[in-house]
Amino acid sequence: AQSVTQLGSHVSVSEGALVLLRCNYSSSVPPYLFWYVQYPNQGLQLLLKYTTGATLVKGINGFEAEFKKSETSFHLTKPSAHMSDAAEYFCAVSAGGTSYGKLTFGQGTILTVHP
Amino acid sequence: AAGVIQSPRHLIKEKRETATLKCYPIPRHDTVYWYQQGPGQDPQFLISFYEKMQSDKGSIPDRFSAQQFSDYHSELNMSSLELGDSALYFCASRIEGGGGAGDTQYFGPGTRLTVL
Repeated sequence: AQSVTQLGSHVSVSEGALVLLRCNYSSSVPPYLFWYVQYPNQGLQLLLKYTTGATLVKGINGFEAEFKKSETSFHLTKPSAHMSDAAEYFCAVSAGGTSYGKLTFGQGTILTVHP
Repeated sequence: AAGVIQSPRHLIKEKRETATLKCYPIPRHDTVYWYQQGPGQDPQFLISFYEKMQSDKGSIPDRFSAQQFSDYHSELNMSSLELGDSALYFCASRIEGGGGAGDTQYFGPGTRLTVL
């Protein structure tokens, strides 16, 4: 079984400030980890993913995330927030085996960026 | 680039009616997933198909059924609709690219179902 916990349902930052969205996972097999962004009334767009290899993953729009197995974490960061980053962010985990490819999502974090 | 197409985008139904949601995956994608996102909730996996065969099943009510057709499009059929079925229904598609469960799922814009 696999699960994802996102710490903080709402995060508010100032424009230009660091963005840190926290994600911890639980998985009985080596996980594949994803961050998706959802703008109002839109679908989910992939920001980045970790499968194997380098633990620091860079994605679109200046976001990056680091896979830390010892901490079972995959936190999302961006050095400088932009107004256009305001959206809801979902961390998700996928595993192989009988649940091949299905995504289990965290509860989501709404990011607010204020001027 | 082509994206996942879902139709209709919005659907309003009465209780106990039926609804059919359609999903057209990205060309050459062989796997389709359906997710349900209730108001203020995270998306929940319903069901998936690989090469027209059901590959996995989640918390899908017995009132719902789905299939993938020869052209790889998929339909989610929902009967005896209940108020609690009101949600955003996403379809996602993926191509088996050798990355296994790490292959990216591409999401459509969703169908917003409102049951009155």
